[in-house]
Amino acid sequence: SYELTQPPSVSVSPGQTAKITCSGDALPNQYAYWYQQKPGQAPILLIYRDSERPSGTPERFSGSTSGTTVTLTISGAQAADEADYYCQSVDSTDTYVVFGGGTKLTVL
Amino acid sequence: QVQLVQSGPEVKNLGASVKVSCKASGHPLENYAIHWVRQAPGQGLEWMGWINAANGDTRYSQSLQDRVTFTRDTSANTAYMELSGLRSEDTAVYYCARPEGECSGGVCRMAWYFDLWGRGTLVTVSS
Repeated sequence: SYELTQPPSVSVSPGQTAKITCSGDALPNQYAYWYQQKPGQAPILLIYRDSERPSGTPERFSGSTSGTTVTLTISGAQAADEADYYCQSVDSTDTYVVFGGGTKLTVL
Repeated sequence: QVQLVQSGPEVKNLGASVKVSCKASGHPLENYAIHWVRQAPGQGLEWMGWINAANGDTRYSQSLQDRVTFTRDTSANTAYMELSGLRSEDTAVYYCARPEGECSGGVCRMAWYFDLWGRGTLVTVSS
C-alpha cells in the first residue's frame, strides 16, 4: 500500500525556520496537503494543493514541492506553532487517501 | 454556522459493534462527500474511507473494508460509520470530515483535502 514518510520530530528555536518533509512516490503527480493538530483537537487544514494557503493560515506557513518530496516551512516559528503536523495525499489511482505518520514540532 | 456535529463517546466490549453519527449543520449533507478518519491514542491519522452522500456510494480502506460500513440519512442530514467485530486496536477517536467540492447524483467533483472536520468521537473497546 502507498505510504507517505515524515520525520517523527523536528525542533526549532523561536523565531527560526522549521522545515518538515514528506516523501512519497506518487507526489510528483498528486497534490499534497498539510494539517496542524494540537492535543485534544481535530486537525486543521494548513496548506492545500502543495502550496496554497486557506484564508486563516498565517503567512509564515508555506508549502513547496520537489520531485517525490514536499516540504512544509514555518518561517519565524512561534511557541503557538508547537503541534503535530500531518501531510496527506492520494494514491496514484485517485482511490485511496493516505496520511503521513505525523511530525511533532517542538519550539524551544 | 457550517459544521459537522458528532455523537458522544462510546464504550464497547470486544467483538461488539459501534455506530458513530456525524450531523451536518448549516449545509445540506446530500451535496457532499463525507470521509471518516480515525486516530488511536498517541498515534497518527488513519483514513477509513468515504461516502457519496448524494447516492450512498462508498469506498473503504483496504484494511477495514471487511468490518466498516458507511451510511447516510439525508432526511436527518446525518452520516453514520459502523464498525463491527471491535478489537482493542479499534480504540480511537473517530472523525468525520468534508472535502472541498460537491456531489450530485453519482458524481462527486471533490478535492482530496478536508477543510471541515467534526470534533471527533472517542470509541473505547474494553475487554
